[in-house]
Amino acid sequence: ETVLTQSPATLSLSPGERATFSCRASESVSTYLAWYQQKPGQAPRLLIYDASNRATGIPARFSGSGSGTDFTLTISSLEPEDFAVYYCQQRSNWPPITFGQGTRLEIK
Amino acid sequence: EVQLVESGGDLVQPGGSLRLSCAASGITFGTYWMTWVRQAPGKGLEWVANIEPDGSQRFYVDSVKGRFTISRDNAKNSLYLQMNSLRAEDTAVYYCVRDSPLLLTYDLWGRGTLVTVSS
Repeated sequence: ETVLTQSPATLSLSPGERATFSCRASESVSTYLAWYQQKPGQAPRLLIYDASNRATGIPARFSGSGSGTDFTLTISSLEPEDFAVYYCQQRSNWPPITFGQGTRLEIK
Repeated sequence: EVQLVESGGDLVQPGGSLRLSCAASGITFGTYWMTWVRQAPGKGLEWVANIEPDGSQRFYVDSVKGRFTISRDNAKNSLYLQMNSLRAEDTAVYYCVRDSPLLLTYDLWGRGTLVTVSS
């Protein structure tokens, strides 16, 4: 099973700052990595697919990069609605599909 | 309206059974892979099972193999998860999820249904 490790566990930032999330895979997943955002009481929402492609309707302040085992999600300038939990997910080596444990983005 | 609506979540005793349903609307259901993802209280996301459009291929996470069965009825635009021999660790919100055309990337989620396994 491909294990995805996200860091940090919690990120404390202020609106307007830049946020950087890391996801490291235990083996190569090529670029078959997605990012999701989840707000309390809601289902996850797809942000980025195949490492660097924004999903439909996702603002340009969200960007993704990486390949192989190391990936990054960046939010260039935080908006109040961006404070949530972020998950990475790989679709390269399955079953099973695996998710990272999540990074909580909180208001500083 | 494009949506997935889960139902069937309940409180059940360990060893019991439950059947979850997911009703799809606004999508050509029979053309998509469909997936169940769960989330234990306060925890992260866990992929449970998926099924291809015609139902001929199904895959499961090891922890539910032999206990859970995913199925679908394309004529009814519905996805199901039959859960037997339930354990406390199966307690979670279960999400019905549509695979995007990319396959194994999830672009449409239901709101979830809560399954609680407890005596």
